[in-house]
Amino acid sequence: SQQGEEDPQALSIQEGENATMNCSYKTSINNLQWYRQNSGRGLVHLILIRSNEREKHSGRLRVTLDTSKKSSSLLITASRAADTASYFCATRDTGANSKLTFGKGITLSVRP
Amino acid sequence: GAGVSQSPSNKVTEKGKDVELRCDPISGHTALYWYRQSLGQGLEFLIYFQGNSAPDKSGLPSDRFSAERTGGSVSTLTIQRTQQEDSAVYLCASSPPPVASGEQYFGPGTRLTVT
Repeated sequence: SQQGEEDPQALSIQEGENATMNCSYKTSINNLQWYRQNSGRGLVHLILIRSNEREKHSGRLRVTLDTSKKSSSLLITASRAADTASYFCATRDTGANSKLTFGKGITLSVRP
Repeated sequence: GAGVSQSPSNKVTEKGKDVELRCDPISGHTALYWYRQSLGQGLEFLIYFQGNSAPDKSGLPSDRFSAERTGGSVSTLTIQRTQQEDSAVYLCASSPPPVASGEQYFGPGTRLTVT
């Protein structure tokens, strides 16, 4: 069953604008991660936020986590055409198993 | 250093044939995962290896699917008697200790097409 559910499913913005993507999940988690995928091939890890953290930054990326609402958001500031990709959130539950459960992804298109 | 590698990058096979997909994880990574991604979909977990522990096979869709990891390094995913619905990109990922870190490094995937 799907754990992370991203919203929206697709997002189209103009270069220079900010992109905000949301993820909701259902169970208690150890951490939540965001990944990026270009052209339907391998995923690249972007950022990890632990359950005891509320906000984290990495370059133009800002991720927030609200464990009370079981939701996270990924903000990409000053978007570039090269940010065009699919973005996935993935959750790692609190059990011993480090298996990640991925959402279906958000397709981001940044128009030059 | 070298990342996760997978071979072949593309595989076209006839329905009913067996296929083997290979994954070489990053050296020193103790955990290895296989996922399947159908066109436009998210990642479907298949199987997870962690050190010498018994693998978590809970995601394998049928008994036609099996995987092994030899010597704690290279892994092979085998699909027997392939069906058209097996067509997908098969992704492998590895992660370093401690297992609790959770960050995964993905290979480029193998695109499997069953005709």
